[in-house]
Amino acid sequence: AQRVTQPEKLLSVFKGAPVELKCNYSYSGSPELFWYVQYSRQRLQLLLRHISRESIKGFTADLNKGETSFHLKKPFAQEEDSAMYYCALRRGQGGKLIFGQGTELSVKP
Amino acid sequence: EPEVTQTPSHQVTQMGQEVILRCVPISNHLYFYWYRQILGQKVEFLVSFYNNEISEKSEIFDDQFSVERPDGSNFTLKIRSTKLEDSAMYFCASSGVNSNQPQHFGDGTRLSIL
Repeated sequence: AQRVTQPEKLLSVFKGAPVELKCNYSYSGSPELFWYVQYSRQRLQLLLRHISRESIKGFTADLNKGETSFHLKKPFAQEEDSAMYYCALRRGQGGKLIFGQGTELSVKP
Repeated sequence: EPEVTQTPSHQVTQMGQEVILRCVPISNHLYFYWYRQILGQKVEFLVSFYNNEISEKSEIFDDQFSVERPDGSNFTLKIRSTKLEDSAMYFCASSGVNSNQPQHFGDGTRLSIL
């Protein structure tokens, strides 16, 4: 079965500290993986996708097929990074997104 | 940048009543989706719609639910006889014809069933 696991419900760090939000997936095919961010119960916004291999707002994520992981990292957290972060998997053209439980990131001053 | 728009932002309805949630997807997109998020829980897929028909639906999307694209721009979700457990945030999303394109989400409609 396809599944996305985000083991941490809440991650609290101080401003300037490194951040890693964990995401593991279970999928038999070649998945497409995304990170979405949701600020203060606003809309889900696309942050990153694994095929782009880009850095957005200082965040990066690398797909590790051996470990079936897609962890989100940022070397120096900012207060404005505080939000809910959802890892999601998509299978196939036009396919649905399967979301993880989400991790609330809290960056303290 | 074009956006998915949803109306209303908040809908309060008595249990047993019908409710219609409206969405205007991004204009050149071809795939449309509804998701819901019960308070404190993860975002769950409800249904996807392509080429004027449902392409996939979840177990949640039972006979009480229906979707329609009545006029080529709107995409609606109807719940025929609402239950207390239908209270949630409902998100509409759309994506383009290219399978590489990600899904773009609306602001959501908060549905409260009394």
